[in-house]
Amino acid sequence: KQEVTQIPAALSVPEGENLVLNCSFTDSAIYNLQWFRQDPGKGLTSLLLIQSSQREQTSGRLNASLDKSSGRSTLYIAASQPGDSATYLCAVLSGGSYIPTFGRGTSLIVHP
Amino acid sequence: EAGVVQSPRYKIIEKKQPVAFWCNPISGHNTLYWYRQNLGQGPELLIRYENEEAVDDSQLPKDRFSAERLKGVDSTLKIQPAELGDSAVYLCASSGGGRANNEQFFGPGTRLTVL
Repeated sequence: KQEVTQIPAALSVPEGENLVLNCSFTDSAIYNLQWFRQDPGKGLTSLLLIQSSQREQTSGRLNASLDKSSGRSTLYIAASQPGDSATYLCAVLSGGSYIPTFGRGTSLIVHP
Repeated sequence: EAGVVQSPRYKIIEKKQPVAFWCNPISGHNTLYWYRQNLGQGPELLIRYENEEAVDDSQLPKDRFSAERLKGVDSTLKIQPAELGDSAVYLCASSGGGRANNEQFFGPGTRLTVL
């Protein structure tokens, strides 16, 4: 059974810092990995999707990398802003079960 | 293009009452997911549809939960009777394309409170 872990669980940083959020998974047989953000009381917003054959994806100040062999992905946020404050979740679509498995998320606060 | 639509946004009921949630996916998306999210947790898959077929419902508590996706478009998730432990946010998502590129798009969710 796929297990997804996100570290750290919570993070508080001053505006302008570069951040790295981590996501690890136990079964490397995946189709893809997707990063989301979730604002309080809202649904999930897709940020980036990395297919299993890819190593990274970029969107604006966000860069996500994938290392399938080590079961890890990182989300890099450059020059953080207060508007980046949210919970960031990663989800892995596993090859065997085809069930999306989510981590518990990293709660990020960027203060001015 | 409209995103995933869910209704209602909030629902408060007493235990043992029935409740239903509705989801309309993004037009053209064949895959539809229902998730449950408890506070401080990631979403957990309840059921996945490919068109009108439920292809994975292993995590759906079938004694009280049911779902349908008639005509392979919108979907309804029902709980009858509701229990206190069912209080959570129920999320619907949809995706199109193949397995490697099936980016999921989520609706705003329905927050259920069972008293």
